[in-house]
Amino acid sequence: DPKIIQKPKYLVAVTGSEKILICEQYLGHNAMYWYRQSAKKPLEFMFSYSYQKLMDNQTASSRFQPQSSKKNHLDLQITALKPDDSATYFCASSRGQNTLYFGAGTRLSVL
Amino acid sequence: QEKVQQSPESLIVPEGAMSSLNCTFSNSASQSIWWYQQHPGKGPEALISIFSNGNKKEGRLTVYLNRASLHVSLHIRDSQPSDSAVYLCAVSMLNYNQGKLIFGQGTKLSIKP
Repeated sequence: DPKIIQKPKYLVAVTGSEKILICEQYLGHNAMYWYRQSAKKPLEFMFSYSYQKLMDNQTASSRFQPQSSKKNHLDLQITALKPDDSATYFCASSRGQNTLYFGAGTRLSVL
Repeated sequence: QEKVQQSPESLIVPEGAMSSLNCTFSNSASQSIWWYQQHPGKGPEALISIFSNGNKKEGRLTVYLNRASLHVSLHIRDSQPSDSAVYLCAVSMLNYNQGKLIFGQGTKLSIKP
């Protein structure tokens, strides 16, 4: 059974709309992250949370807002969607400085 | 900004042979270097990491790190068709927060039966 659940697996949105990407982890980890992988770029760090607190934000745009309602949840809200936001978004988690475990990703297409 | 470069971009290896993948990074202050495996439609999965100069062996995997030349390599002995995947090299930095990895663009490995 997957220990990091991302929903939905695929998402199609229109330009200007808003979407929420869901992530839940059942590994008992205290740290959670969002990464983005687009067609022509390497996997790219976006945010990190530790014990539900934002630790690092490498996303220049405020259109991307992580939300942590529970300690094992880290959702990603994206507003005013643009075609350039099309990518696969991966949620990951870790216990402290140890190995990162990734979910299967949400593939977002913005038309 | 740390940069991670991988070579080759793609690699075809006969089943049973050795697969060798390369990675260079730009900052000698990097902390650990990680290798991840990614199958199509899946998330990356950690394979092996190294911190100290020298080599580290785990099963069919051997990784070599040379901090002076900013180079790390991954070698897969007795390559199997199931090893076909994209391999990502990633670097963590001492002054970065936990879990922030800088990834290379990947090497696509295909093992031919």
